[in-house]
Amino acid sequence: AQTVTQSQPEMSVQEAETVTLSCTYDTSESNYYLFWYKQPPSRQMILVIRQEAYKQQNATENRFSVNFQKAAKSFSLKISDSQLGDTAMYFCAFIRYNFNKFYFGSGTKLNVKP
Amino acid sequence: EADIYQTPRYLVIGTGKKITLECSQTMGHDKMYWYQQDPGMELHLIHYSYGVNSTEKGDLSSESTVSRIRTEHFPLTLESARPSHTSQYLCASSALSDSYGYTFGSGTRLTVV
Repeated sequence: AQTVTQSQPEMSVQEAETVTLSCTYDTSESNYYLFWYKQPPSRQMILVIRQEAYKQQNATENRFSVNFQKAAKSFSLKISDSQLGDTAMYFCAFIRYNFNKFYFGSGTKLNVKP
Repeated sequence: EADIYQTPRYLVIGTGKKITLECSQTMGHDKMYWYQQDPGMELHLIHYSYGVNSTEKGDLSSESTVSRIRTEHFPLTLESARPSHTSQYLCASSALSDSYGYTFGSGTRLTVV
C-alpha cells in the first residue's frame, strides 16, 4: 500500500525567510509522480509543484523548489523569500504511473509572520 | 477560462433536508472526484467517476450519492442531511492521465444544524 506522511502539522516562518516542509512516502513502485498542493484559508487548492520520479533533477517553480530523494523516499518543499500570501495548508501527494488513485498526506499548516 | 466550479460556496441547512452540491468543469476532464475535508484536516475521498455513467465509492464511507450523466457535471446529493455531515466538500477533476495532477474547485462548506 502507498502512504504519504507529513510529520509537521504546523510551522511558522518570518516573512522573507526560507522554510522547508517535509514529506515522505512509501511505495515499491519505480514510476510515479509527486506533487505539492497549497490550500489558502477559504480558497481553492492549487498545484504548487510537480516532480516525475524518473527525473533526477529537482523541480523548481519560482520561489518553490523540491528536494527529491528517491532512495530515501523523501520529497520536501522549500519556500524561499516567504511571503504573507504563502500562508496556507500544504499537502504532499503521490500517484503511481498509470494508476488511478492519488494519495494525500495529512497536511502542514504554514503561517508566515510579518 | 477552463476551470472547475462548485456551488454553493457556503450552505447552512436544517437536519433532514435534501441537498445537492453542484460541481461542473469546463476542461473536458474524464475523471472527477469528491473529497470530504474537515477544517485544517486531511482529505478523504468519498466518490469518484472515470466517465459518464461511471461512479464509484471512495475510501471514506459516505451517505451521499453522486451521478455522472454529463462529462462536465458531477453533483453530490445528501437525501437527509444530519449534523455529522457538517464538513467541507471539495470537487476535483483530472485528465485521463492523472500525472499532471488534479484541478480543485473552491469547495462547499456545509453546516447542518
